[in-house]
Amino acid sequence: AQRVTQPEKLLSVFKGAPVELKCNYSYSGSPELFWYVQYSRQRLQLLLRHISRESIKGFTADLNKGETSFHLKKPFAQEEDSAMYYCALSRSSGTYKYIFGTGTRLKVLA
Amino acid sequence: EPEVTQTPSHQVTQMGQEVILRCVPISNHLYFYWYRQILGQKVEFLVSFYNNEISEKSEIFDDQFSVERPDGSNFTLKIRSTKLEDSAMYFCASSAQGGQPQHFGDGTRLSIL
Repeated sequence: AQRVTQPEKLLSVFKGAPVELKCNYSYSGSPELFWYVQYSRQRLQLLLRHISRESIKGFTADLNKGETSFHLKKPFAQEEDSAMYYCALSRSSGTYKYIFGTGTRLKVLA
Repeated sequence: EPEVTQTPSHQVTQMGQEVILRCVPISNHLYFYWYRQILGQKVEFLVSFYNNEISEKSEIFDDQFSVERPDGSNFTLKIRSTKLEDSAMYFCASSAQGGQPQHFGDGTRLSIL
């Protein structure tokens, strides 16, 4: 079965501390993985996709097929990073629907 | 930057009534989706739509649900006879091509009384 697991509902870190938001997936084929961010009262916005391998707002994520993980990392958290973060999996063919994790709320403390 | 727009932002409806949620996807996008999020739960896929037909639907998307693209711009989700458990946030999304990232609207909060 296709599944995305984000084990932490809430992650609190101090400003300037490193951040790692965990995402594990279960999928038998070749998935596409995404991170979306939702700031307070705003829409879901694409943060990263695994195939682009870029860094957005200082965040990076590497797909580890051996561990079936796609963890989101940032070396130095900023207060404006406080938001809800969702990991999503899409098939690489067919309808491309997303399967979402339950989300992790990141709180960056001053 | 173009955006997906959804109306209304909040809809309150009596149980058993019909409701139509509206979405205007980004203009050159070809793939359209509806998702929902019940309070405190994950975002769940409802239905995908491509080439003027449903390409996939979830178990949630039963006979009470339907989607339409009545013209070149709107994409609607209709719930024929609402139930209390339909109360949720409904998100519309679109993408330019299959496999391209989906762009989401702000959502419609549906409250069934």
